[in-house]
Amino acid sequence: GQQLNQSPQSMFIQEGEDVSMNCTSSSIFNTWLWYKQDPGEGPVLLIALYKAGELTSNGRLTAQFGTTRKDSFLNISASIPSDVGIYFCATSGTYKYIFGTGTRLKVLA
Amino acid sequence: DSGVTQTPKHLITATGQRVTLRCSPRSGDLSVYWYQQSLDQGLQFLIQYYNGEERAKGNILERFSAQQFPDLHSELNLSSLELGDSALYFCASSVGGDGGSYEQYFGPGTRLTVT
Repeated sequence: GQQLNQSPQSMFIQEGEDVSMNCTSSSIFNTWLWYKQDPGEGPVLLIALYKAGELTSNGRLTAQFGTTRKDSFLNISASIPSDVGIYFCATSGTYKYIFGTGTRLKVLA
Repeated sequence: DSGVTQTPKHLITATGQRVTLRCSPRSGDLSVYWYQQSLDQGLQFLIQYYNGEERAKGNILERFSAQQFPDLHSELNLSSLELGDSALYFCASSVGGDGGSYEQYFGPGTRLTVT
């Protein structure tokens, strides 16, 4: 079935560093969404992207919808300890509402 | 707080049993989605209801069923439970859902443990 691959799988960074993660697919999608999940809680929507090439910011977060419509990236600037969690990309397609494999972020103070 | 509520928060039951998970969507949202998340895994889409009707189906087992009631709350029924059904079950809601991608808002989840 359709699958979204996220990289890296996990990362340790120092507080204050910038972070970049991406999400790729073998299929074309018209929407990309980025969610963050804290342990034991539900995912929280961070950014929604609806237009290829679109760059969208939400505070320290910036995400872009790739022009091929097969990928997206999320950047976090000046990371802080509360950025710890799992970041998921998501989209919808024939198999409906597909979530990526997740990038687990750990921030070292 | 997303505005989506789920009950119960935790559920422990034995193999072979049947349980019902409940979800109330955000005020004004017509779609409800159910997801399963096993330990350290991603989210697997199970099923979507839109305004009381089944709209999309994902990897939902035949032992599982769901419905959305006239007041838009939804229930997920899991029967003949197996150890492998132990997971977090999330409900999400969105305003639309009749095609396209809609921003989904997730509840806090129900942690099901089957012993």
